[in-house]
Amino acid sequence: DVKVTQSSRYLVKRTGEKVFLECVQDMDHENMFWYRQDPGLGLRLIYFSYDVKMKEKGDIPEGYSVSREKKERFSLILESASTNQTSMYLCASRTSAGGQPQHFGDGTRLSIL
Amino acid sequence: GENVEQHPSTLSVQEGDSAVIKCTYSDSASNYFPWYKQELGKRPQLIIDIRSNVGEKKDQRIAVTLNKTAKHFSLHITETQPEDSAVYFCAADQTGANNLFFGTGTRLTVIP
Repeated sequence: DVKVTQSSRYLVKRTGEKVFLECVQDMDHENMFWYRQDPGLGLRLIYFSYDVKMKEKGDIPEGYSVSREKKERFSLILESASTNQTSMYLCASRTSAGGQPQHFGDGTRLSIL
Repeated sequence: GENVEQHPSTLSVQEGDSAVIKCTYSDSASNYFPWYKQELGKRPQLIIDIRSNVGEKKDQRIAVTLNKTAKHFSLHITETQPEDSAVYFCAADQTGANNLFFGTGTRLTVIP
């Protein structure tokens, strides 16, 4: 079974702080993703990475950056947290072979005060 | 990119009744269509998927149908139970894309 592990289930930070959300997958997947989930807005893609050190912007990249230094690890960075970034953040991974699902982590509920 | 629309956004059914959720997609080259179930406070989990060379797939009480000509696919849940209450997401895999394209979700409530 694929395991995608997010470092924190709940996180509380203050406005202006630099925030790191970490994600690790154990299936040697090439692709990793960060989504934001807000009530009524579904799953919105922030950034994804298709290889080490490679990244692509998703639908809502503003205010975020990412880092992928190792294949199994994908980090989401909030450079200067703001209250409108309070949300549920989901990490996912996927093989580059076609016709396969994405596997999600348990999510990090982030509150910015 | 691919555009996936999902309807309805909310659905309430009586226990034992059937539930149907419908999705449409825009890119005729899309060839893989998974469905995810997300229970409250949990991760989205794959419940069933279908590939473009198949018209229908069943797994116990759930089934998915695909109409490639019309570019729509549907999730059918029969004999619904309270534990089926969740948010369901459809998705489409556009050829050459790294990510899946998700619908906006359907909140299903099964009333005991």
